[in-house]
Amino acid sequence: ETGVTQTPRHLVMGMTNKKSLKCEQHLGHNAMYWYKQSAKKPLELMFVYNFKEQTENNSVPSRFSPECPNSSHLFLHLHTLQPEDSALYLCASSQDRGGTRNTIYFGEGSWLTVV
Amino acid sequence: AQSVTQLGSHVSVSEGALVLLRCNYSSSVPPYLFWYVQYPNQGLQLLLKYTSAATLVKGINGFEAEFKKSETSFHRTKPTAHMSDAAEYFCAVSEGNQFYFGTGTSLTVIP
Repeated sequence: ETGVTQTPRHLVMGMTNKKSLKCEQHLGHNAMYWYKQSAKKPLELMFVYNFKEQTENNSVPSRFSPECPNSSHLFLHLHTLQPEDSALYLCASSQDRGGTRNTIYFGEGSWLTVV
Repeated sequence: AQSVTQLGSHVSVSEGALVLLRCNYSSSVPPYLFWYVQYPNQGLQLLLKYTSAATLVKGINGFEAEFKKSETSFHRTKPTAHMSDAAEYFCAVSEGNQFYFGTGTSLTVIP
């Protein structure tokens, strides 16, 4: 059981499609994250939001567009993706971004396949 | 910047044997340290964390981790491996407002 819920769990999309990944956290946290996990590669931090404001964008291509309408919800909008974007996308949250409160809790992940 | 090194991307142990997963970090200032586990087709689950209290931290499922400042290490052990321990394990470090993950160690348990 997780306090961070991601939908859908699996997504197959064509390169010309537009889709979105959704994340909701039930932990009362203020910070939310998107990570990308590809086979044989380390976890890649994509975006960070703190109190709904984006605080980090780690050179992510513009075909990935995040949205954080409130501290509990985070979206990742996808458009014109490439096959190399196929990966597990993990949403996470933490109480805030500093000190002992900076324990990150992850969702189950959304498996994305771009065809 | 902080770096986290997990020695051994793949570790195989026999069922019932000791499990040792290694993690070293680079910071000279003791950070906050974590171990996560990832089972197939799932997200990362927090197993235990060290936040400058006792140097030996006990987690779930019989795992422990020991912080050694002199060695900048946070190795994880379990006295007796079970088949259900087979998974990917990630060491992570929190320093300031940044989180750094190791590249993971895949644990295989041989019957």
